[in-house]
Amino acid sequence: GQQLNQSPQSMFIQEGEDVSMNCTSSSIFNTWLWYKQDPGEGPVLLIALYKAGELTSNGRLTAQFGITRKDSFLNISASIPSDVGIYFCAGGSSNTGKLIFGQGTTLQVKP
Amino acid sequence: NAGVMQNPRHLVRRRGQEARLRCSPMKGHSHVYWYRQLPEEGLKFMVYLQKENIIDESGMPKERFSAEFPKEGPSILRIQQVVRGDSAAYFCASSQARGDTGELFFGEGSRLTVL
Repeated sequence: GQQLNQSPQSMFIQEGEDVSMNCTSSSIFNTWLWYKQDPGEGPVLLIALYKAGELTSNGRLTAQFGITRKDSFLNISASIPSDVGIYFCAGGSSNTGKLIFGQGTTLQVKP
Repeated sequence: NAGVMQNPRHLVRRRGQEARLRCSPMKGHSHVYWYRQLPEEGLKFMVYLQKENIIDESGMPKERFSAEFPKEGPSILRIQQVVRGDSAAYFCASSQARGDTGELFFGEGSRLTVL
């Protein structure tokens, strides 16, 4: 079945640093989304991407839909303590009508 | 504008009992998805429903698990004769369009603990 490989698995950074994480797949997706999950909560949508090559920003967050439609990355600039959490990428396929999620990247920020 | 509502937030069951998890989608959303999350893991797709219809249940275990989304009322995920391995967080998500074209909005999850 379709799988997403998300990396890195975890990151421990200093406040103020920039962060980059990515997702790759052997399958083509027609949408890419990035979610953040805080402990004990449900995932919250951060950015949605709908076109290959699309670059979208949401505040300090920037995400891109890879030109091959098989990958996406998320950048967080000038990290702050509240950025701590688990970040998930998700790919949507028109064949299935559903989202497939990556394994998550756990981000810890040291003040 | 209420988001996706799930209840109960926490549920404790003994082995062999039944668990019923409920999900009310966002207003205007007719597509509902259930995902399971084990500790320290990602979200695994279980089932996709659209009012009164199961569209894709490829992620549902063949036995003991069932889901419905009736014309009136919330979507229900039902687990019969629970076992310890069913302990997990179960998340419901809804969307206005198909999940591959629309954005999924998640509830806060129902955490099932099987003793």
